[in-house]
Amino acid sequence: DVKVTQSSRYLVKRTGEKVFLECVQDMDHENMFWYRQDPGLGLRLIYFSYDVKMKEKGDIPEGYSVSREKKERFSLILESASTNQTSMYLCASRDREAESNEQFFGPGTRLTVL
Amino acid sequence: AQSVTQLGSHVSVSEGALVLLRCNYSSSVPPYLFWYVQYPNQGLQLLLKYTSAATLVKGINGFEAEFKKSETSFHLTKPSAHMSDAAEYFCAVSDWTSYDKVIFGPGTSLSVIP
Repeated sequence: DVKVTQSSRYLVKRTGEKVFLECVQDMDHENMFWYRQDPGLGLRLIYFSYDVKMKEKGDIPEGYSVSREKKERFSLILESASTNQTSMYLCASRDREAESNEQFFGPGTRLTVL
Repeated sequence: AQSVTQLGSHVSVSEGALVLLRCNYSSSVPPYLFWYVQYPNQGLQLLLKYTSAATLVKGINGFEAEFKKSETSFHLTKPSAHMSDAAEYFCAVSDWTSYDKVIFGPGTSLSVIP
């Protein structure tokens, strides 16, 4: 089974702090994604990566950056956390060769910025 | 751009009653369609997916969905609700013209009343 893990389930940070959210997948998937989930808005794509060192902006990239130095790891960085970045963050991965576009999700990190 | 709508942000059913969660999508070509479920404090889990093999798709936990191209719909049903079905359900559509991204609906929260 595909396993996607995220470094923290719950995180509390202060405004202005630099925040790192880590995601690791163990199935050698090329594609990895970062979403944020907010009530009533569903999942919104922040960034995705289609291979090592490759990244593309999603729908809401402002205030975020990403890093993909190794195939299995995709990091989301909040350079200077703000209260409006309080949210649930979900990481996902996908086999680019798969017929369907199924994504496999991690358990999520609930981030609170005070 | 493609979009996904889910009618009803909250749906309540009695235990043993029919579950019907509605999903409509906008697309000019037959897409891949998905239903994901999210249990409290967890990531998303794939319930079922439509990949053009059959219009009626059976998934896990007794759920099924029917693809109706003429109605651009992909409604999710289960004949008899169980207490364990209480969760958030997301409909999603893939768009091959957009870097393999998946577009999620806003979600429907299902409550099951004993």
